[in-house]
Amino acid sequence: NAGVMQNPRHLVRRRGQEARLRCSPVKGHSHVYWYRQLPEEGLKFMVYLQKENIIDESGMPKERFSAEFPKEGPSILRIQQVVRGDSAAYFCASSSGENTQYFGPGTRLTVL
Amino acid sequence: AQKVTQAQTEISVVEKEDVTLDCVYETRDTTYYLFWYKQPPSGELVFLIRRNSFDEQNEISGRYSWNFQKSTSSFNFTITASQVVDSAVYFCALSSGSSNTGKLIFGQGTTLQVKP
Repeated sequence: NAGVMQNPRHLVRRRGQEARLRCSPVKGHSHVYWYRQLPEEGLKFMVYLQKENIIDESGMPKERFSAEFPKEGPSILRIQQVVRGDSAAYFCASSSGENTQYFGPGTRLTVL
Repeated sequence: AQKVTQAQTEISVVEKEDVTLDCVYETRDTTYYLFWYKQPPSGELVFLIRRNSFDEQNEISGRYSWNFQKSTSSFNFTITASQVVDSAVYFCALSSGSSNTGKLIFGQGTTLQVKP
C-alpha cells in the first residue's frame, strides 16, 4: 500500500512568489493534517481537513496561508507572497479517523 | 493547556547500550492518546506507537519498549541494545481535547546519537 505522498520534496521560491504543496493521503484515508517544522521550533499543527471541509485551522497563520482538500485530487497547502520566515519543512499526515496519523516525507521549502 | 515536554535535547550512547527517552505530558482531558515518532536523518516521520489513556499496559516490540504511567503523566521510551541505525530525532506527541480533532501536540524532540 502506498503511504502518504508529498510533492515536491524540495521547493525553492523567491520572496513574493507563491508556493503550492501537495499531499496525497493513504488510500482510503479521508482525514488530512498539515504540520510545519521550523528550525529550532519543532513540529507545529497548522490545519486539519476532511474531504471538502476545513475542520480546524487554529494553527494556520491568518494571512497568506490557505489549505484545501477537494473531493477529487490531493490536498493543497498554498502560501502566497512567501517570505524568508516561511522556510521550513511542511509535513502532511493522513488518518482513517482512528487517531493514528501517518506522515508523508515532507516538503522542504526554501525562500531566497 | 496541553503540553508535551521532552527534557532531553540530545543523548549520545555507544552501540549496545540501553537508552531511555523521557516524555512528560499535560492535559486536563480524561481521554487522550500518546504517540512516539522517529525522524531519521533522511527527514521523514515514522510512526512507532500509539497508546490511549485507558490502557496503561507497557508494551514491548523487539528492542523497543514503552512505559506509560498516568500517575506521573509520563510515557517513556526505552531502546535496548541500541544500534547505529537508531540514531534519529524522536518525538513524543499528545492528541486530546473535547473536540477530538486529533491534532498532535509534539514535544521538542530528543536527538539520539548512537556511536559504533
